[in-house]
Amino acid sequence: SQKIEQNSEALNIQEGKTATLTCNYTNYSPAYLQWYRQDPGRGPVFLLLIRENEKEKRKERLKVTFDTTLKQSLFHITASQPADSATYLCALRPTSGTYKYIFGTGTRLKVLA
Amino acid sequence: EPEVTQTPSHQVTQMGQEVILRCVPISNHLYFYWYRQILGQKVEFLVSFYNNEISEKSEIFDDQFSVERPDGSNFTLKIRSTKLEDSAMYFCASSLDRASTDTQYFGPGTRLTVL
Repeated sequence: SQKIEQNSEALNIQEGKTATLTCNYTNYSPAYLQWYRQDPGRGPVFLLLIRENEKEKRKERLKVTFDTTLKQSLFHITASQPADSATYLCALRPTSGTYKYIFGTGTRLKVLA
Repeated sequence: EPEVTQTPSHQVTQMGQEVILRCVPISNHLYFYWYRQILGQKVEFLVSFYNNEISEKSEIFDDQFSVERPDGSNFTLKIRSTKLEDSAMYFCASSLDRASTDTQYFGPGTRLTVL
């Protein structure tokens, strides 16, 4: 069956450290993969998109990698701050013929001051 | 910065009643979406809409659901006869054009509670 898996357990890290979140998928060959941030009671906020032919994408303190062999994406926040505390969602576009995104359940990140 | 807005922020209804959730997408966007998120669960795609018709819909989007763009600014989701399991956050999203459909801007959501 098709699955997108993110660590359901919360990730606690110290301020200033790099947070690394994982997204694994099974039985998909996604053309695109995205990362979103979601705060409690709010809608997802788009952060980064990476395409299947891209290995890495960066935006300020954020970095995403995409390994289609391992069927995994890693999301890094460097020099993390308490304001980065939120739930981070990965979402993939299953094929190039669709415009819908399938979301993972998200990983809650807490950055401790 | 332009944003997607949704009304109401919270809707409480009785089972069997009809509800209409409203969204105002970003003004020059052409693609519109509805997603829902049951408490503690993942965001789920419901439907996408372009050029005044449904582009795609999920298996969740059955005959009880419908979408409409009644004028040049609003985009609505109607649930004809609500069920307890329809209780969720409903998010509207929009994207600029076909080439940019991957950058979807989400609204703040409407929390629907069905009693």
